[in-house]
Amino acid sequence: QSALTQPRSVSGSPGQSVTISCTGTPSDIGTYDYVSWYQQHPGKAPKVMIYDVTRRPSGVPDRFSASKSGNTASLTISGLQTEDEADYYCCSYVGDYNWVFGGGTKLTVL
Amino acid sequence: QVQLQGSGPGPVPVKPSQTLSLTCTVSGDSVTSGAYFWHWIRQTAEKGLEWVGRISTSGTINYNPSLKSRVTISVDISRDQFSLSLNSVTAADTAVYYCAKGPRFYYPSSGYPFYFDDWAQGTLVSVSS
Repeated sequence: QSALTQPRSVSGSPGQSVTISCTGTPSDIGTYDYVSWYQQHPGKAPKVMIYDVTRRPSGVPDRFSASKSGNTASLTISGLQTEDEADYYCCSYVGDYNWVFGGGTKLTVL
Repeated sequence: QVQLQGSGPGPVPVKPSQTLSLTCTVSGDSVTSGAYFWHWIRQTAEKGLEWVGRISTSGTINYNPSLKSRVTISVDISRDQFSLSLNSVTAADTAVYYCAKGPRFYYPSSGYPFYFDDWAQGTLVSVSS
């Protein structure tokens, strides 16, 4: 199972919005509505920001939103803040009790 | 609030062809809780995050097909721990290993059980002769 495809980096200024894409295949994102997104600050463990494609865990700001269309999922962060600077990873369930992650996107807040 | 703490071989590298062993201690709930799956996920510079496997105390165990022949995940109920064993290691197994938990069932409040909602701090394991 190949990794999901994410841009290596994105950037934005405080207050702006950025969108991170995550491209899979008809066998993973295209089939399952079980896409999750994780934020990882340097030296820290990943933290779930989105699950079930669009749902936010309690405590995650509503500036974080996500969607899916076909084989591509997207994470949008609006009203960028400096603390949003981190690596972001998408993840999809791929069936047969297996998961695959994206390669990660480094978000820089300019 | 469930907390996870991973532990491993420490700073000493694991030699190629040997077995890597890691443990994750659960606190704030019991590892026998039927509400969770207990997962192992690793992170390498080359491949990024990779799901390794999961276990529940109901007896369900699943492994990443790419690692299945070398991986064993088990639970120690008496110690509230779950463990990872990876044999025949090579340099490609050098990674930060995370233990994590995820929901086991669907609930309206927590969604479908296909994500990882709490992660421990990672444990760096180096494979080197």
